[in-house]
Amino acid sequence: EVQLVESGGGLVQPGGSLRLSCTASGLTEFSDHHMDWVRQAPGKGLEWVGRSRNKPNSYTTQYAASVQGRFTISRDVSTNSVFLQMNSLTTEDTAVYYCHTVTLPYWGRGTLVTVSS
Amino acid sequence: QSVLTQPPSVSGTPGQRVTISCSGSSSNIGSNYIYWYQQLPGTAPKLLIYRDYQRPSGVPDRFSVSKSGTSASLAISGLRSEDEADYYCAGWDDGLRGRVFGGGTKVTVL
Repeated sequence: EVQLVESGGGLVQPGGSLRLSCTASGLTEFSDHHMDWVRQAPGKGLEWVGRSRNKPNSYTTQYAASVQGRFTISRDVSTNSVFLQMNSLTTEDTAVYYCHTVTLPYWGRGTLVTVSS
Repeated sequence: QSVLTQPPSVSGTPGQRVTISCSGSSSNIGSNYIYWYQQLPGTAPKLLIYRDYQRPSGVPDRFSVSKSGTSASLAISGLRSEDEADYYCAGWDDGLRGRVFGGGTKVTVL
């Protein structure tokens, strides 16, 4: 059974940083898959945050304009993990953050990030 | 304001067929695959349709998609109470160089 598990969420002050992790278990050829981060603010819709492309695409990353320059996605294939480093956080970044495989039906349960003083 | 436009809500009675539209542009739906997600209350989204028309294993064929030009629609046939959820369309946008989501459509089973 494939599972994606996010961790690292919590309460952080505006201007602070947080690093989220997403670890995949049971997913063969982790390096073959694009991995996306998506967030959902309370009571709102889904918003794409960014992507770690697969190995054939050299694990390149892309970001939404709203997080470009503040967030960084990285991947560790030895642990089947993808990370989201979030800096200069604002209250607008408060959301549940999900990781998921783009063309396979696997999503994590999400981790809540709350940015508040 | 979402790049992909969906109606905020649709409703139907059990057994009915409902459709959810998703309107975009030549830079997204018009030139890239569309994906559909279902989000039940309090849960993570679930992939319903990928690469325009493909259904992952376990998704019933009551869910079907049509696509033409810069628009697409998700149809739910034989509506059931367990279909009550939020539905999102999504796709890549070449101009924005990123993925875009519709605002979501809440399906209510009357």
